[in-house]
Amino acid sequence: GDSVTQMQGQVTLSEDDFLFINCTYSTTWYPTLFWYVQYPGEGPQLLLKVTTANNKGISRGFEATYDKGTTSFHLQKASVQESDSAVYYCVLGNQGKLIFGQGTKLSIKP
Amino acid sequence: EAAVTQSPRSKVAVTGGKVTLSCHQTNNHDYMYWYRQDTGHGLRLIHYSYVADSTEKGDIPDGYKASRPSQENFSLILELASLSQTAVYFCASSDRNTEVFFGKGTRLTVV
Repeated sequence: GDSVTQMQGQVTLSEDDFLFINCTYSTTWYPTLFWYVQYPGEGPQLLLKVTTANNKGISRGFEATYDKGTTSFHLQKASVQESDSAVYYCVLGNQGKLIFGQGTKLSIKP
Repeated sequence: EAAVTQSPRSKVAVTGGKVTLSCHQTNNHDYMYWYRQDTGHGLRLIHYSYVADSTEKGDIPDGYKASRPSQENFSLILELASLSQTAVYFCASSDRNTEVFFGKGTRLTVV
């Protein structure tokens, strides 16, 4: 069946470090790929959307790209801040139904 | 601003008891969803609905029922709560192929 895999369960960085989170997916349809972010005590919220048409999404300093050949997509940010501390999920979407990866908890050392 | 409200925000239930989690959205969205979050598993879809008075099974429906009496309201029902159903539950809404908006979650502890 359809699935999403995030191998990095936790990432710890210092402010101004470069962030890179990778994700792989498996599906039988043309996917819409998302990155959702979840802050403590909140539900997940949409950070970025990437479609097979545009290959890339950019929002709030984050950039997401995908590679159809390797069925992978990743999230990156050039310079993280303490306010970026959260859990990041890569997500496969089909008509509103979402399949979540396991999540990557990002901790930023001040 | 899209709004999805869940109640209660936290609940302790006894094993074998009945639990009802409620969700209300003011987004005028057709689609509503119930997800379950467990540590290390991300979120998994339990039930969803795309029209009032109709519900569909998601990826992990066993042990759960859902009810959609109106466009705005969507409930998740645990007829016989079990220890394995201890988790955080999220309700969400969307239109077809648009952004999904989540509530703040309900923390359910079954003892």
